[in-house]
Amino acid sequence: GAVVSQHPSWVICKSGTSVKIECRSLDFQATTMFWYRQFPKQSLMLMATSNEGSKATYEQGVEKDKFLINHASLTLSTLTVTSAHPEDSSFYICSATSGTYEQYFGPGTRLTVT
Amino acid sequence: GQSLEQPSEVTAVEGAIVQINCTYQTSGFYGLSWYQQHDGGAPTFLSYNALDGLEETGRFSSFLSRSDSYGYLLLQELQMKDSASYFCAVTRGGGYNKLIFGAGTRLAVHP
Repeated sequence: GAVVSQHPSWVICKSGTSVKIECRSLDFQATTMFWYRQFPKQSLMLMATSNEGSKATYEQGVEKDKFLINHASLTLSTLTVTSAHPEDSSFYICSATSGTYEQYFGPGTRLTVT
Repeated sequence: GQSLEQPSEVTAVEGAIVQINCTYQTSGFYGLSWYQQHDGGAPTFLSYNALDGLEETGRFSSFLSRSDSYGYLLLQELQMKDSASYFCAVTRGGGYNKLIFGAGTRLAVHP
């Protein structure tokens, strides 16, 4: 159990366009979902915390107008990278929790902005 | 502020035992977790310590000393498939059980 999916697994987009990434908890209801960003051979950097039906809480230094997060239901959260630029190229990973200390991670989405 | 420190790389041979240390400085500490991540893959949960002491799960054990702000992950009977990055992460209070990750330790297991 406790499976989290992400879609797409990889995406290439042109500079200036927007990209939406979906995160779904497949077999449990996620009270909270998190979005991380990871550069090659580096750690996971928490971008924002998302709760169903409420506004996301962004970490310091993360632009909320650039990284739009919507948590429409207990099983779905989306991250939209608006007006993407090459420096936004990264591995974006979501995780979900049902309220315990354990987070279940999605397989990640590799974004390349050309 | 908050920070976690762990070694960047560790190398070991199959069948050996490896200990990966983690020291942390943070406010609102709830517990220390360990996650494994293979290249290109998702992090997977290994263990969680909220109280002082040793937690054992198969070949992996994790230890926490809250007074020393220190923990470690112990991997026994190493296998080639254990080659991966290992992250310690602090669970912070204040709701939502946010995780703050360390920089990760790349473990290379050789025959």
